[in-house]
Amino acid sequence: EVQLVESGGGLVQPGGSLRLSCVASGFTFSDRYMEWVRQAPGKGLEWVGRARDKAHSYTTEYAASVKGRFTISRDDSRNSLYLQMDSLKTEDTAVYYCTRVGTGSDGYNGGFDYWGQGTLVTVSS
Amino acid sequence: AIQMTQSPSSLSASVGDRVTITCRASQGIRNDLAWYQQKPGKAPKLLIYTVSSLQSGVPSRFSGSGSGTDFTLTISSLQPEDFATYYCLQDYNYPFTFGPGTKVDIK
Repeated sequence: EVQLVESGGGLVQPGGSLRLSCVASGFTFSDRYMEWVRQAPGKGLEWVGRARDKAHSYTTEYAASVKGRFTISRDDSRNSLYLQMDSLKTEDTAVYYCTRVGTGSDGYNGGFDYWGQGTLVTVSS
Repeated sequence: AIQMTQSPSSLSASVGDRVTITCRASQGIRNDLAWYQQKPGKAPKLLIYTVSSLQSGVPSRFSGSGSGTDFTLTISSLQPEDFATYYCLQDYNYPFTFGPGTKVDIK
């Protein structure tokens, strides 16, 4: 059974840092692209960023709103995905979801097929 | 960035109704369009990817269509468990963008 479990959320002051983790199980983590998606309270979904697999040099992509402040990394030996969040702003307050990219027809376009339960990050003084 | 719009923003429907939700992209996105369902307090669930491919385990009353910039999610016969918010997502180019959502509630 595929499982994604996020942790690391909490209350942080503006300008502070936080590191989220997502531990994966039930599939070969190293073969998959992984994503972070967030949702501010009462708002819609916002894509945060992508981590490609080893075959694609572990490269990353980011939303403009977080680029330069957030860093996505992964440790395939620990089946883990990370989101390092620096210079946090009040508008970063949201539930952060870790998601897996499905294989689809070309190996990487199968949508975000599994999601974690989310972890809440609150940025407030 | 590609802008995604959805219509309507909300709708009221009855069990058994046929429901159609539209998603429009600000530029062509080939077939790189997915649909998600989200219920309150829960993570989103993938329904359809690459416009019309039904995710494993999703009931066949859900279908997707469209091309280029205009896409549609159809629920052929609305069931009680389908009352939720639906989002489209373009994963054609970066940054990926979601539509603002369509809330489907009970009439």
